[in-house]
Amino acid sequence: NAGVMQNPRHLVRRRGQEARLRCSPMKGHSHVYWYRQLPEEGLKFMVYLQKENIIDESGMPKERFSAEFPKEGPSILRIQQVVRGDSAAYFCASSTALSYEQFFGPGTRLTVL
Amino acid sequence: DAKTTQPTSMDCAEGRAANLPCNHSTISGNEYVYWYRQIHSQGPQYIIHGLKNNETNEMASLIITEDRKSSTLILPHATLRDTAVYYCIVRSPNRDDKIIFGKGTRLHILP
Repeated sequence: NAGVMQNPRHLVRRRGQEARLRCSPMKGHSHVYWYRQLPEEGLKFMVYLQKENIIDESGMPKERFSAEFPKEGPSILRIQQVVRGDSAAYFCASSTALSYEQFFGPGTRLTVL
Repeated sequence: DAKTTQPTSMDCAEGRAANLPCNHSTISGNEYVYWYRQIHSQGPQYIIHGLKNNETNEMASLIITEDRKSSTLILPHATLRDTAVYYCIVRSPNRDDKIIFGKGTRLHILP
């Protein structure tokens, strides 16, 4: 059973470009969580999604950031018009509808030049 | 904000037991204590969790005090690969509950 997959593992963007980060949850998992880790800091919750629904987006910046988890395909975290402060590691986690345990992916490291 | 307090860093000799403390004096009756760790540049890894009884699995043991206001994660025979940041987290048993990470303890295993 493959773990949580994230791609790309590393992403470089120039200021003003868009960044798209993908997360494929573990097989059978219907819950996806996104977290951000700024350099030398702990992980911060961003958003929690189930298929086609955003359940909790209390950690999402109000502008430029959006997330989706369509019926088919991976969850997408989209950052529009990136700025240098968006440079961070973005981790995705998934869980089932029955378990409290979140399994984390390897992360996407975004660098904004 | 995280509801836990952990030392910033700790050292442990390879082969010895690593004991990582955590204070959670405001824990609620239905909240569990979880431990995760993050090895450099990797995603967090679940270690163990418990409510009030001591727990043990293949990775570690979790000792929770009787009043549940503190706990200790024990790695019985630490290896260099156990060098990581260890996060103690208090969560309710609700699958929708996001994880609130604190700063954790940076554990250095010394050869």
